[in-house]
Amino acid sequence: NAGVTQTPKFQVLKTGQSMTLQCAQDMNHEYMSWYRQDPGMGLRLIHYSVGAGITDQGEVPNGYNVSRSTTEDFPLRLLSAAPSQTSVYFCASSWSSSGGNTIYFGEGSWLTVV
Amino acid sequence: GIQVEQSPPDLILQEGANSTLRCNFSDSVNNLQWFHQNPWGQLINLFYIPSGTKQNGRLSATTVATERYSLLYISSSQTTDSGVYFCAVAGGTASKLTFGTGTRLQVTL
Repeated sequence: NAGVTQTPKFQVLKTGQSMTLQCAQDMNHEYMSWYRQDPGMGLRLIHYSVGAGITDQGEVPNGYNVSRSTTEDFPLRLLSAAPSQTSVYFCASSWSSSGGNTIYFGEGSWLTVV
Repeated sequence: GIQVEQSPPDLILQEGANSTLRCNFSDSVNNLQWFHQNPWGQLINLFYIPSGTKQNGRLSATTVATERYSLLYISSSQTTDSGVYFCAVAGGTASKLTFGTGTRLQVTL
C-alpha cells in the first residue's frame, strides 16, 4: 500500500515550458486535491476533485489545469510555467469530501521555474 | 473564506519541556486537522478534531468549536518533534482545507 505517490520529486523548468505533476493514490479515495506551499506560508488549495470526471477550482487555480479520468490519478498541468509558480506542490486524498475524513498527503514535488 | 491564525509563529524548547500551540479560526467548521511537517517536508496528519479532545502518546489536542479555537499540546518534547505544525480547517466542503501559516518548533538538546 503506497498511499499517495507524487512524481517527479524535483523539477527545474524554463519560463514558458509546460509540464505535468503526477499524483496517484491506491486507497480508492474519492476526494483528491492539489496544494502549493510557498516559503513561510501554509498550503493553499489549487484544484480539487470529488470523484472521477469532476473537478473544481480552489483558492489559487490560475495557470494550472487538472483532470480526473480515473479514481486513482489526478495530474496537475502547468500550461506555461512562470517564476511565480516556483513552489512545493502537494497532492492529497481522502475517503470522501464530507466531514470526518483524515487527509493523506504525498511527499511533495519541488518545482523551480527559471 | 475562513481565516486561520496560529500562535506562536516560532517556538524554541529544550528537550523534555512541554508546549501549547494555538489555532484560532473565524467561522464554524466541520473539519479541523493538525499536521506536522518534518524537516524533510513530509506532512503527517496528527489529529482530526473538529470538536472535543483526543490524545495520542505525548500529543493531545482540544477543540472548542463554540469559541473557535483549537490547542495542540506537546509534552516531554523530543528533538524529533521539531518541524512546523499546521492547523487546517474546512467549512462547507469538508475537505477543502484552509491552512494557517504554522508554528515552527525547534527542540534542542
